[in-house]
Amino acid sequence: DAKTTQPTSMDCAEGRAANLPCNHSTISGNEYVYWYRQIHSQGPQYIIHGLKNNETNEMASLIITEDRKSSTLILPHATLRDTAVYYCIVRLPIGTGTASKLTFGTGTRLQVTL
Amino acid sequence: EAQVTQNPRYLITVTGKKLTVTCSQNMNHEYMSWYRQDPGLGLRQIYYSMNVEVTDKGDVPEGYKVSRKEKRNFPLILESPSPNQTSLYFCASKSGDRYLTGANVLTFGAGSRLTVL
Repeated sequence: DAKTTQPTSMDCAEGRAANLPCNHSTISGNEYVYWYRQIHSQGPQYIIHGLKNNETNEMASLIITEDRKSSTLILPHATLRDTAVYYCIVRLPIGTGTASKLTFGTGTRLQVTL
Repeated sequence: EAQVTQNPRYLITVTGKKLTVTCSQNMNHEYMSWYRQDPGLGLRQIYYSMNVEVTDKGDVPEGYKVSRKEKRNFPLILESPSPNQTSLYFCASKSGDRYLTGANVLTFGAGSRLTVL
């Protein structure tokens, strides 16, 4: 699985968009990008995933560059409850015969402030 | 409510006293996994199970055992706990996909904080 690089920490004002970058320059053609977050020692929570196209759901948007070497998770209107560690993970889809393992790095600690 | 339930949530024990952390899911998921989380090291996989009676080692399996006798349960066993197993443990599950899909969505339990003295 491709390795990812994320900033250690970021700040964001409440109500503003939080843009969390992730670099995955060694990503292969059929690897997906996943984002999870972990709020204060709770179990990690799935946010969104994508392959090539930009994706949006009720929680966030995922923007993947055309060369797929980086992506950005966007929380459009961050609230205090979005304060968490955000993990960017790259891996193959299911069914390729690889172990169904998600490798979590240390993520980006997002602090949303008033 | 679809969920992964871990017990106990908190436990303080002593070196060498066998303990089991239970994990149960009500989503009929085939895949289950255990992670531990330590400061500065992120989440590391201990063991995983692709289906009943099928288990395999993750990145840090030493000192742990698991079993998968039923689809819904995946207990983590520490036969002889040591202080370096003091950690926050998470159980997770997801459906076993048989088709090429990006849906690799894990559902995590609330965590079990274990202290070994």
